[in-house]
Amino acid sequence: DAGVIQSPRHEVTEMGQEVTLRCKPISGHDYLFWYRQTMMRGLELLIYFNNNVPIDDSGMPEDRFSAKMPNASFSTLKIQPSEPRDSAVYFCASSNERGMSSEAFFGQGTRLTVV
Amino acid sequence: GENVEQHPSTLSVQEGDSAVIKCTYSDSASNYFPWYKQELGKGPQLIIDIRSNVGEKKDQRIAVTLNKTAKHFSLHITETQPEDSAVYFCAARYLHGKLSFGAGTTVTVRA
Repeated sequence: DAGVIQSPRHEVTEMGQEVTLRCKPISGHDYLFWYRQTMMRGLELLIYFNNNVPIDDSGMPEDRFSAKMPNASFSTLKIQPSEPRDSAVYFCASSNERGMSSEAFFGQGTRLTVV
Repeated sequence: GENVEQHPSTLSVQEGDSAVIKCTYSDSASNYFPWYKQELGKGPQLIIDIRSNVGEKKDQRIAVTLNKTAKHFSLHITETQPEDSAVYFCAARYLHGKLSFGAGTTVTVRA
């Protein structure tokens, strides 16, 4: 398996524009997580899904952020409209919590810069 | 919710020496404690984990200890090498699937 795949790797956009980040989890994993990483706040969990259903979105900062998981192999995180303070690295991770294995595998991340 | 604190924030060690990173957690219900290593430009990668029914776990030069009573756990790296230089994160899980991360420790191994 190629691991968790995120696209794009880098995104530069102007303030006010819509941004869509994409994630393909590892096949067979039933949990998917979206994290945001900044120097000031470290790794923050934004939202996570179990079997494509959002379980906890309490970390989503504002209504400008939304996430979907239309099927087991794809998820999106959308920011509309984007603001400079949204600049960060966004990670997607997936895990399979069946049995004793609980490792969360992270993608390479999307570095978002809003100017 | 779970609150994970990690110390120190930066750690510089001489090659061959040991490195120790300590974390505390707040929720006594937490039962899974992974450690992640993040290299520049990459996502965090699991290096070792421990569950609450175990006090210590070793994997070559890496070991993790857990004290449930005190609610703290530690990462020990022995015989450090330059390739151990990275940011290390501890985490704790108190709900199925949901990890809370520490702030990270930047480890620099001096040759």
